Amino acid sequence: SYVLTQPPSVSVAPGETARITCGGDDIGTKSVHWYQQKPGQAPVLVMYYDSDRPSGIPERFSGSNSGNTATLTISRVEAGDEADYYCHTYDSSSDDVVFGGGTKLTVL
Amino acid sequence: EVQLLESGGGLVQPGGSLRLSCAVYGLTFDAYAMSWVRQAPGKGLEWVSGISGNGGSTYYAPSVRGRLTISRDNSKNKLYLQMSRLRAEDTAVYFCAKPRSGADYYYALDVWGQGTTVTVSS
Repeated sequence: SYVLTQPPSVSVAPGETARITCGGDDIGTKSVHWYQQKPGQAPVLVMYYDSDRPSGIPERFSGSNSGNTATLTISRVEAGDEADYYCHTYDSSSDDVVFGGGTKLTVL
Repeated sequence: EVQLLESGGGLVQPGGSLRLSCAVYGLTFDAYAMSWVRQAPGKGLEWVSGISGNGGSTYYAPSVRGRLTISRDNSKNKLYLQMSRLRAEDTAVYFCAKPRSGADYYYALDVWGQGTTVTVSS
């Protein structure tokens, strides 16, 4: 089965840039989506097709995907960005729908 | 506005059964595949099952195949998850979710319900 690997935690000061990675074998050949989840709430889609932002998501959020790593970048981090972030993809060769283990973003 | 509302969760003994429902509002339901995603307490998201728009094709994670059955009633705008032979490790919040692209259950999920809690315990 296909595996997505995320760092358990990322910490950043307000106003700085947070980069959350998602590793997977040849992930650059797949479409990766990202979700933000705050405590007690349902996940919210913040990035799809690697780098497309849904309406209502600030331009501070951006995405990239190449080689074996996809990255969600949050510029000018705010306290309200503190949440768990999950990457998600589909591997057609194994027919797996996979989420990464999640990354807790802490705003210092 | 598209809304998803899950129901049917509760406490069930190991080996027991439960049926979850997801009522869908604000979209042409049969134009969309749908998915169920679960989250065990303190853990990450796990995709569980998907279904095509007409209900003719279903998909399951290996961990639930043969025990959970996804279905839908397009005349009622409802999605279901029939759960049987439940185990302690099935304890989780279960979310129904809609893909941004209509046809692909595995695609980016842009609308989620608030979830319904299933607890499997004696």
